[in-house]
Amino acid sequence: DIVMTQTPLSSPVTLGQPASISCRSSQSLVHSDGNTYLNWLQQRPGQPPRLLIYKVSNRFSGVPDRFSGSGAGTDFTLKISRVEAEDVGVYYCMQATQFPQTFGQGTKVEIK
Amino acid sequence: QVQLVESGGGVVQPGRSLRLSCAASGFMFSSHGMHWVRQPPGKGLEWVSVIWYDGSNKYYADSVKGRFTISRDNSKNTLYLQMNSLRAEDTAVYYCARWADNRAFEIWGQGTMVTVSS
Repeated sequence: DIVMTQTPLSSPVTLGQPASISCRSSQSLVHSDGNTYLNWLQQRPGQPPRLLIYKVSNRFSGVPDRFSGSGAGTDFTLKISRVEAEDVGVYYCMQATQFPQTFGQGTKVEIK
Repeated sequence: QVQLVESGGGVVQPGRSLRLSCAASGFMFSSHGMHWVRQPPGKGLEWVSVIWYDGSNKYYADSVKGRFTISRDNSKNTLYLQMNSLRAEDTAVYYCARWADNRAFEIWGQGTMVTVSS
């Protein structure tokens, strides 16, 4: 199975400041069809996960544009340009290039 | 409104069985692959199982293979997870999730809690 490793595991951020989360995969996530199936999910406290970003950099419907994804191969990044109070929660990267789908350990974003 | 609602969770003794349901509404259920993903208390996400849109293919995580069975009834817009021989390590919130062509879990249910304890 592909192992997904996120850093940091905890990220205290000041409101209005940027935040960045890294995700590294144990193998390249480039699929034979040319796509890279790396997604980002947000889980607010007490809520189910919610899709934020799919295929590295595509924002899902309704996701604010302060969220952006980038990366290639085995190294990926989720950035929040200006953290708001509603962004508190745990963020997971997830690969769907190879079966079975696997998730990172999660990064907790909290307000300083 | 696109919605997934899980039910069937509860407290069960080790070795016993439980069946979870996931009722879908607001979209063409029969056109989408569906998954179960679980989350032990205070921990991360673990993929459990997938079923193709028409039920023709089913796959399982190694941790549940041979004990869990995924199924669906497209006439009832409902997904199921039959869980047998339950173990303490199966304790988790179980989510159903809709699979998209872009290979993402684009819709999630609220989850149902399963506790395996004597």
